[in-house]
Amino acid sequence: AQKVTQAQTEISVVEKEDVTLDCVYETRDTTYYLFWYKQPPSGELVFLIRRNSFDEQNEISGRYSWNFQKSTSSFNFTITASQVVDSAVYFCALSEAYDDMRFGAGTRLTVKP
Amino acid sequence: NAGVTQTPKFQVLKTGQSMTLQCAQDMNHEYMSWYRQDPGMGLRLIHYSVGAGITDQGEVPNGYNVSRSTTEDFPLRLLSAAPSQTSVYFCASSYPRLAGGRNEQFFGPGTRLTVL
Repeated sequence: AQKVTQAQTEISVVEKEDVTLDCVYETRDTTYYLFWYKQPPSGELVFLIRRNSFDEQNEISGRYSWNFQKSTSSFNFTITASQVVDSAVYFCALSEAYDDMRFGAGTRLTVKP
Repeated sequence: NAGVTQTPKFQVLKTGQSMTLQCAQDMNHEYMSWYRQDPGMGLRLIHYSVGAGITDQGEVPNGYNVSRSTTEDFPLRLLSAAPSQTSVYFCASSYPRLAGGRNEQFFGPGTRLTVL
């Protein structure tokens, strides 16, 4: 069965520090999709990125970057030069098939000024 | 486009009461789903639907019913509320899988439910 583990429950950093959020997944399928969502204090869920299992290229979007490594079943998320507005709960998710998406427990990131 | 809308935003129920959480989307998405979010457990899938007239169970379906009579609406029914169903409920929708694979889901703002 598919499973997503976000071992870091809470992380606290000072503004401008870099921070990496870990995501480890388990799946028996060769075709799967990985996602990151952000949940700010206001509560809504904001889509950040999607990656399919055939594309191991790392991605950078502004201060955000993602490192996908199939060899270690990890899909880690790095925020460079963190800002207070990055404070949120971040969820990693895995979808093996069309019909089901499993989420990790989330990592609460606090960025202090 | 309103996106995904949910009503109500807050609800308090007594044990044994029933109610329906409403979800609607105006993006013509075929796929819709319901999740519950509990502290330390992330989001867990309750039920989902791949199109009008088709529904299926997710990870935690017990105590909940769904139906999908139209593409736009996907209500979630609590048959006999229990304190264990106190949670935040999110509805989501997405485009069907195309050649590019599984698409991201768009989430509603959530309904905070308390069962006393």
